[in-house]
Amino acid sequence: QKEVEQNSGPLSVPEGAIASLNCTYSDRGSQSFFWYRQYSGKSPELIMSIYSNGDKEDGRFTAQLNKASQYVSLLIRDSQPSDSATYLCAVTRNYGQNFVFGPGTRLSVLP
Amino acid sequence: DGGITQSPKYLFRKEGQNVTLSCEQNLNHDAMYWYRQDPGQGLRLIYYSQIVNDFQKGDIAEGYSVSREKKESFPLTVTSAQKNPTAFYLCASSQGGGGTDTQYFGPGTRLTVL
Repeated sequence: QKEVEQNSGPLSVPEGAIASLNCTYSDRGSQSFFWYRQYSGKSPELIMSIYSNGDKEDGRFTAQLNKASQYVSLLIRDSQPSDSATYLCAVTRNYGQNFVFGPGTRLSVLP
Repeated sequence: DGGITQSPKYLFRKEGQNVTLSCEQNLNHDAMYWYRQDPGQGLRLIYYSQIVNDFQKGDIAEGYSVSREKKESFPLTVTSAQKNPTAFYLCASSQGGGGTDTQYFGPGTRLTVL
């Protein structure tokens, strides 16, 4: 089993719709979870971090964490074409010393 | 401006050559990281350092070497032992090495072996 798994996509949604991105992880000891956005040819940029079970909202973005199910998700409301990118899920490991990244989900928002 | 810089942006290497990728940060972060990204893939950890003069191997350290002589600098050398070095290399830093600390990325270096 891979440490962090994501659907590779592409996930296509129409403009204005809700995009739902999912991530599962294998290490029950993981404590911190991050979503990054990466445009083609660019470096990743942080969207959100989440540490506790439940939802965390920031503008159009909502991260959801369920440690019992080892599942973290990212919802993007009112999706815009500018949201088209690859979304990377990152999870801490080794008692927080470093991260492990999922393979990323490519999102395409259609005008 | 505070941030992470990487140079060069593009690098071409002949087979059998060692090359060094530069990473500098002025964020006063303690921890620094090197990742490799292949097309359509996620990031894989090469080396990381939580404090000056100390570093640890990541998941794919073979064929790479690093040093951490200064807090703000963490250069990566890609040696001739790395059999398939063509990739996008990303440097990151975080305030500390703790699990709640966000990692921030530099712009990356794209290495191509000719």
